[in-house]
Amino acid sequence: DIVMTQSPDSLAVSLGERATINCKSSQSVLYSSNNKNYLVWYQLKPGQPPKVLIYWASTRESGVPDRFSGSGSGTDFNLTISSLQAEDVAVYYCQQYYDTPFTFGPGTRVDIK
Amino acid sequence: QVQLVQSGAEVKKPGASVKVSCKTSGYTFTTYAMHWVRQAPGQRLEWMGWINAGNGDTKYSQKFQGRVTITRDTSANTAYMELSSLRSEDTAVYYCARGSTGGNWFDPWGQGTLVTVSS
Repeated sequence: DIVMTQSPDSLAVSLGERATINCKSSQSVLYSSNNKNYLVWYQLKPGQPPKVLIYWASTRESGVPDRFSGSGSGTDFNLTISSLQAEDVAVYYCQQYYDTPFTFGPGTRVDIK
Repeated sequence: QVQLVQSGAEVKKPGASVKVSCKTSGYTFTTYAMHWVRQAPGQRLEWMGWINAGNGDTKYSQKFQGRVTITRDTSANTAYMELSSLRSEDTAVYYCARGSTGGNWFDPWGQGTLVTVSS
């Protein structure tokens, strides 16, 4: 199984400041035939189902604010919130869809400082 | 719009089975995969398996193989997940989630169903 790790476990950022979350996979999730990274980022708020933010590691989902961006390739990825807003308080998960079983990171909690 | 509406919370005794439904609307049910994902308290999200809603083919995580059965009723646009031989560690929120058009990420998700296993 591909093991996903995230860091930090949690972070507190001032409103308007940048937040960066790192996600690592135990093996590459870059598929060489199409040069795509099979990695997605979700946002999870209490009492709500997960919401897709970024897929293919860097493609923003329609309707997601452009302060959210994804980067990285192979085994090392980042989710960046460029200017944290109050509504961004949530837990963020990465997930690989390169191979089954599809696996998730442990989550990173983002709060306001 | 696309909607996935799950059945309500369940309380089960150890050793019992639970069957959660996921009723869909707003899209052609048979053209997308349906996945099931759970999240136990304090744990990460965990993929359980999926069904090709068109032909009924399934694939399960090895962790749940033998205990989970995913089915669908195309006439009702509904998918089901049944988990047997329940133990306390199966206490979790269970989600159905549609496979995306472009790859195996999950979008959208059902609202979640809390299954509590307790004697």
